[in-house]
Amino acid sequence: DQQVKQNSPSLSVQEGRISILNCDYTNSMFDYFLWYKKYPAEGPTFLISISSIKDKNEDGRFTVFLNKSAKHLSLHIVPSQPGDSAVYFCAPTTAYSGAGSYQLTFGKGTKLSVIP
Amino acid sequence: GAGVSQTPSNKVTEKGKYVELRCDPISGHTALYWYRQSLGQGPEFLIYFQGTGAADDSGLPNDRFFAVRPEGSVSTLKIQRTERGDSAVYLCASSSWRGGGYTFGSGTRLTVV
Repeated sequence: DQQVKQNSPSLSVQEGRISILNCDYTNSMFDYFLWYKKYPAEGPTFLISISSIKDKNEDGRFTVFLNKSAKHLSLHIVPSQPGDSAVYFCAPTTAYSGAGSYQLTFGKGTKLSVIP
Repeated sequence: GAGVSQTPSNKVTEKGKYVELRCDPISGHTALYWYRQSLGQGPEFLIYFQGTGAADDSGLPNDRFFAVRPEGSVSTLKIQRTERGDSAVYLCASSSWRGGGYTFGSGTRLTVV
């Protein structure tokens, strides 16, 4: 039972264009949503997050949009750069409503390739 | 240290053997997590420590897995009677506050042959 789905295993985008990575979730208790980026042989690196009281959060070239009613979020990267090529994980949690550990539930990831 | 350090980076062991994986978190971080990432999957939660105590071990797959953090800093994940299905990258992360992202180490790649 996958609580977090990233339905595109891979995505190729031309340098300078927009990359859009999608994530769907089923657990309505999730109230804080994080995106991580992972390069080969390295651990995941925190990228950007959004709380359930917002529908948009922006940090430089990265913007995350949250549609709570659809249980859907997306990460936009504009403009995409070759250094953005990595695997991106959506990882929600119950930070405010949960009683415990702030554990993250990761999707399977989307491998982004930005072509120069 | 500057980041989360995990040793060894690679470990090959025979089926049935015992292994220990070490995590050295960022100095001062009270929260420590272990995750496991199998091939083609995202990381899966195993256990969470707040200080010295295991506050949530609901992700440990069975009683062959155990983790300790005796002094509230370094943690060791212990796997008894290893099985081929235990092969994965074991990731450790630490955090100083509840909210935002936490910092992962590079992981230990465990291969059980």
